[in-house]
Amino acid sequence: EAGVVQSPRYKIIEKKQPVAFWCNPISGHNTLYWYRQNLGQGPELLIRYENEEAVDDSQLPKDRFSAERLKGVDSTLKIQPAELGDSAVYLCASSLGGVWFVADEQFFGPGTRLTVL
Amino acid sequence: AQSVAQPEDQVNVAEGNPLTVKCTYSVSGNPYLFWYVQYPNRGLQFLLKYITGDNLVKGSYGFEAEFNKSQTSFHLKKPSALVSDSALYFCAVRGRNDYKLSFGAGTTVTVRA
Repeated sequence: EAGVVQSPRYKIIEKKQPVAFWCNPISGHNTLYWYRQNLGQGPELLIRYENEEAVDDSQLPKDRFSAERLKGVDSTLKIQPAELGDSAVYLCASSLGGVWFVADEQFFGPGTRLTVL
Repeated sequence: AQSVAQPEDQVNVAEGNPLTVKCTYSVSGNPYLFWYVQYPNRGLQFLLKYITGDNLVKGSYGFEAEFNKSQTSFHLKKPSALVSDSALYFCAVRGRNDYKLSFGAGTTVTVRA
């Protein structure tokens, strides 16, 4: 079974530039998550999707971050414009979702390491 | 608010010795608890979870964890560590009625040959 796929794996940009990250979840997984992991810390949730609906984006800095999950499969996370403090690893995860979603384990992609200069 | 504490930034053990990675949690009501491992430049990999029932949970790669409700702990253990177990380990908690998974800061495990 293919895992969660993310691209690019690494991205270096200058501040104020835009950047986008792409995620393809495990087939059949209805729930998709975007996390940010700062150096030396655990992942922190940015947004959660149930199918194509963003059911929780309360932690997403909406002035510069946006996300979409068209057709309830692939998802894109965008930052525009990027700031120095956005340097981090951006992780995508997916899980089955549904009635038992709280007991689901999440499956993580390899992440995109963003460096903002 | 729910939270996880991993009191040790680093754990160092010799190969073949027992390995323990500590985790305590705070959550309203009964928890769902998870352990994940992260290798360099890789995403988090699921190791095991506690949902209900037996307090001793067995997971991947010979790891197990013991849920202790009175001490609000969920320590990860392996009877005989391998050099290949060297990685970053994360404990995570979720409330029974909450989708949000809260992670600890992680513990770096180094197993020396």
